[in-house]
Order: sequence, then C-alpha cells, then structure tokens
Amino acid sequence: DGGITQSPKYLFRKEGQNVTLSCEQNLNHDAMYWYRQDPGQGLRLIYYSQIVNDFQKGDIAEGYSVSREKKESFPLTVTSAQKNPTAFYLCASSITGVTGELFFGEGSRLTVL
Amino acid sequence: QQQVKQSPQSLIVQKGGISIINCAYENTAFDYFPWYQQFPGKGPALLIAIRPDVSEKKEGRFTISFNKSAKQFSLHIMDSQPGDSATYFCAATFSGAQKLVFGQGTRLTINP
Repeated sequence: DGGITQSPKYLFRKEGQNVTLSCEQNLNHDAMYWYRQDPGQGLRLIYYSQIVNDFQKGDIAEGYSVSREKKESFPLTVTSAQKNPTAFYLCASSITGVTGELFFGEGSRLTVL
Repeated sequence: QQQVKQSPQSLIVQKGGISIINCAYENTAFDYFPWYQQFPGKGPALLIAIRPDVSEKKEGRFTISFNKSAKQFSLHIMDSQPGDSATYFCAATFSGAQKLVFGQGTRLTINP
C-alpha cells in the first residue's frame, strides 16, 4: 500500500540532545512537508521541499533542520536550539502543483524530559 | 493576511444533530479551501474541499458552505455520529502556492 511512514511513533529526549525523525513515502510525490501540531495552534509548517536537494523554511523553522537527498525521504532533526520541542510532528507529501491535497503520516510524538 | 481563523475550538453535539465549524480568511487570493479530519493519534486526512466558484459542496453527510463576499466558509456535518468525533482543520491556499494555511482546529465530540 502506498503511504507515508513516520518513525519513531513515540520518542523521549533529554534536554540538550538532538533527535532525528524519519519520514519515508512511496507515493512518488515530489513535495514533502513537516508540520508541528500543538493543542489550539493548528498545524504550523516547519520546512518543505518541492524537489530533491532543495528545501525551504516554513513559518517556524528555528531550531530545526532537514535534508532531502532522496525523493522518498525527508528526515527532520530537532536540535537542542529548539526551545520548546515537545510536540506532535507530522510529515506530509503532495503532488507538485496540487498543494491543497496533502497526504499525512501518522505522526511522531516527541517528549523532552 | 495569511491567517485562517477557525471557531469554535471545541464542540459537543448530540448524536443525530448538526455540527457546524466556521472559518474566516483575509487573503482574497485564496482559491482552494480544504477540510481535514484527524482522529486521535493519527495524521489528518483530506475530507472535502471547495473552490470559490461554487457556494456549496456536499459529499454524503458533509457539506461545505462558502460565502465569498464575507470571506467565510463552514463545514456542516448532518446527522452527526459518534464516529465523527475527531479534530477538524480548515485550510486555504491559492494556485501556485507551495503551502497550505491551516486554521487552529476544532475538537468535535459527538455524544451517543
């Protein structure tokens, strides 16, 4: 079945540590996105990539980094510079030119202890 | 101008009732307005969407009403069922844009 796979589903991290969230898709979509979800704040865009080896900052990119070395993969690193990293992180993909139709993974919940 | 404001933040409806969630936007360049449904512990999924050339779109029990002059759109869920309990997000974008703007979300609970 085609879809988006995020791992791990749950992750605990100590303050000061970097952590990388995995996102893999087999939908053959060119565009991929990372969103952060916090209660009452909706979905906020962290980074997005329209094509391999290229990505752009979203609305809340500070403290995060990404790479897009393969079409299928778009990992997100939450660095120690992110002041409030505890959140639910969602990866999504779309067909280029069809921005309104996003396909989401099941999310990764990061808790900083 | 890039914001989409969604209300209410939470909503409780009795089984069989009508659930109504409202969204408002400022950017008149927006030309595509999707709604996403998210169940607990899952990612959101596209539910229904509308373009501003129509005032209403219906898919089963779900209807989007669109008021272009007021820059508002709403989701109506008829005959609401406990299985509809989820968080709903409205969103907006325009042709050629590279990202969606999401509303704050509404947590809907349907009481049996």
